[in-house]
Amino acid sequence: DAGITQSPRHKVTETGTPVTLRCHQTENHRYMYWYRQDPGHGLRLIHYSYGVKDTDKGEVSDGYSVSRSKTEDFLLTLESATSSQTSVYFCAISEGSGIGYEQYFGPGTRLTVT
Amino acid sequence: EDQVTQSPEALRLQEGESSSLNCSYTVSGLRGLFWYRQDPGKGPEFLFTLYSAGEEKEKERLKATLTKKESFLHITAPKPEDSATYLCAVPFQAAGNKLTFGGGTRVLVKP
Repeated sequence: DAGITQSPRHKVTETGTPVTLRCHQTENHRYMYWYRQDPGHGLRLIHYSYGVKDTDKGEVSDGYSVSRSKTEDFLLTLESATSSQTSVYFCAISEGSGIGYEQYFGPGTRLTVT
Repeated sequence: EDQVTQSPEALRLQEGESSSLNCSYTVSGLRGLFWYRQDPGKGPEFLFTLYSAGEEKEKERLKATLTKKESFLHITAPKPEDSATYLCAVPFQAAGNKLTFGGGTRVLVKP
């Protein structure tokens, strides 16, 4: 998985609780991304980072925040989890931006909000 | 709005039965296209990058081609280990690092 780990790998939480997912890379890549994957919707970008403390929104960012204090770590936080955020979350990394730089994905975190 | 559509949604093949998967897109100014393979319970695995219309890439039994409006992933004489979901992705119009993914094609190859 290209030196990418995600934690936890599985989590069950209750509606209204805060949740933080962690992505850790050992590749020293500049770009990091958070996606969610749902049946019928495919992979959708939540947020991405283009450097330490530099982040931007994706297409489904409402209800999510991110932080990147170190090159190797990218955190995704659900401030108050809702059932609609039940999904599989993938972290990805890329060395650069654009078509010449493919993204490599982590193993995923399955989150269930009850 | 950029859209990426993959067809068929699912494909059942006998071992050795060649077939093709389609990825069509409506984007302003195609900047290339990525193909990924995803096994159940795992993250997508990068397969190919196609940069411009007319380009072809090959890897084992897989061959990807690109035109101005669509891409094909040809699977030649597939084996059961080729069973997976295949995803294509296109960079957003405004920012090359934001990808729009298709819904994927689930391929099952039976021995």
